Amino acid sequence: EAGVTQFPSHSVIEKGQTVTLRCDPISGHDNLYWYRRVMGKEIKFLLHFVKESKQDESGMPNNRFLAERTGGTYSTLKVQPAELEDSGVYFCASSQVGGSVGAFYYNEQFFGPGTRLTVL
Amino acid sequence: SQKIEQNSEALNIQEGKTATLTCNYTNYSPAYLQWYRQDPGRGPVFLLLIRENEKEKRKERLKVTFDTTLKQSLFHITASQPADSATYLCALLRFSNSGYALNFGKGTSLLVTP
Repeated sequence: EAGVTQFPSHSVIEKGQTVTLRCDPISGHDNLYWYRRVMGKEIKFLLHFVKESKQDESGMPNNRFLAERTGGTYSTLKVQPAELEDSGVYFCASSQVGGSVGAFYYNEQFFGPGTRLTVL
Repeated sequence: SQKIEQNSEALNIQEGKTATLTCNYTNYSPAYLQWYRQDPGRGPVFLLLIRENEKEKRKERLKVTFDTTLKQSLFHITASQPADSATYLCALLRFSNSGYALNFGKGTSLLVTP
């Protein structure tokens, strides 16, 4: 079974340009998460999709970031226009939705290899 | 505010010894604490989850303990091997009205030498 894949693996762009990152989750995983790690900092949550709906986007830094998940399959994260501080590694993770109503059941998140974004 | 702290200094140990990594946290309740392994150029890989009503979890050579009074988890790798060299991340679930996501610590780098 294929894991979470991300494209591209590395992107170098100039300040002011636009970049689009793509994430393909594990088939059947309705939960999709975006995280980011900037240099010297911890991995931080950006947003969470359940199928095509944005469940939580409280971690998105500002309105230069736009995430979509049309059809509830793959997701894209667009940065427009990119700034120097957007440099870092962007991770995507997916998990199954599960558990009975009224009960909390945590399903493991599977991470992709990340996209390293360098803004010059 | 919620915080997760891991020892930022790298841990160097000799093969065969037990590696012990520490994770301290504040303001997580309920606490669902996880340990991940991350290798260079790769994403984090889930290892173990321990809930606040559990004191210990084991998986092969891995053992995690959880002290909710101290707000601390210890992660042990017994009979360590050079292949265990990696960065180990502590993470806790952050709950909100919208669902949950992971908050990570900065990670501790482990180097196991032959």
